[in-house]
Amino acid sequence: EVQLLDSGGGLVQPGGSLRLSCAASGFTFNYYGMTWVRQAPGKGLEWVSAISGSGDNTYYADSVKGRFTISRDNSKNTLYLHMNSLRSEDTAIYFCARDYSFDSWGQGTLVTVSS
Amino acid sequence: DVVMTQSPLSLPVTLGQPASISCRSSQSLVYSDGNTYLNWFQQRPGQSPRRLIYKISNRDSGVPDRFSGSGSGTDFTLKISRVEAEDIGVYYCMQAPHWPLTFGGGTKVEIK
Repeated sequence: EVQLLDSGGGLVQPGGSLRLSCAASGFTFNYYGMTWVRQAPGKGLEWVSAISGSGDNTYYADSVKGRFTISRDNSKNTLYLHMNSLRSEDTAIYFCARDYSFDSWGQGTLVTVSS
Repeated sequence: DVVMTQSPLSLPVTLGQPASISCRSSQSLVYSDGNTYLNWFQQRPGQSPRRLIYKISNRDSGVPDRFSGSGSGTDFTLKISRVEAEDIGVYYCMQAPHWPLTFGGGTKVEIK
């Protein structure tokens, strides 16, 4: 059974940093691209970033480009999202999802950017 | 960026009756491999999203056959043949052939 476990969220001040993790199990991790999607409170879904199975190719939404970095450790079956220069508009639940078609989702981790 | 436009925004339904959600894209979603990468997701209250349909009309494992997807090019539809109480939530379409990946704004299905 595919399982994705998101973690690392919390309260951070504007301008601060945070690292999210997504622990994967139940499938061959390095065979799949992985993505991050976020959902601001009461809002819709927004794609944030994606990374290929090997980690060689990365993609970002314009809203996070230059501030967020996606990475993965295939030896640990774990996906990461390093978030810097956080803004209030980054406040959201962050979900990891498998593949570029999002066929499985994590439970999400809440990031709150506030002073 | 490809804009995904869903309608209606809100869909009050009667249990046992059909429901239909429209999704239109600002560009063709046909990829160079000939496939059309249009997916549908369901998000029940308080839950993570769940993929229902991929590549226009393919149901994911465990998805009831009352859900069906159709369409082509830039115009797509999700239909529920007979709405059940567990179908309440927000439905999103999403396109995958073009970066950045984009979602529709969502359609909230609620009981009338």
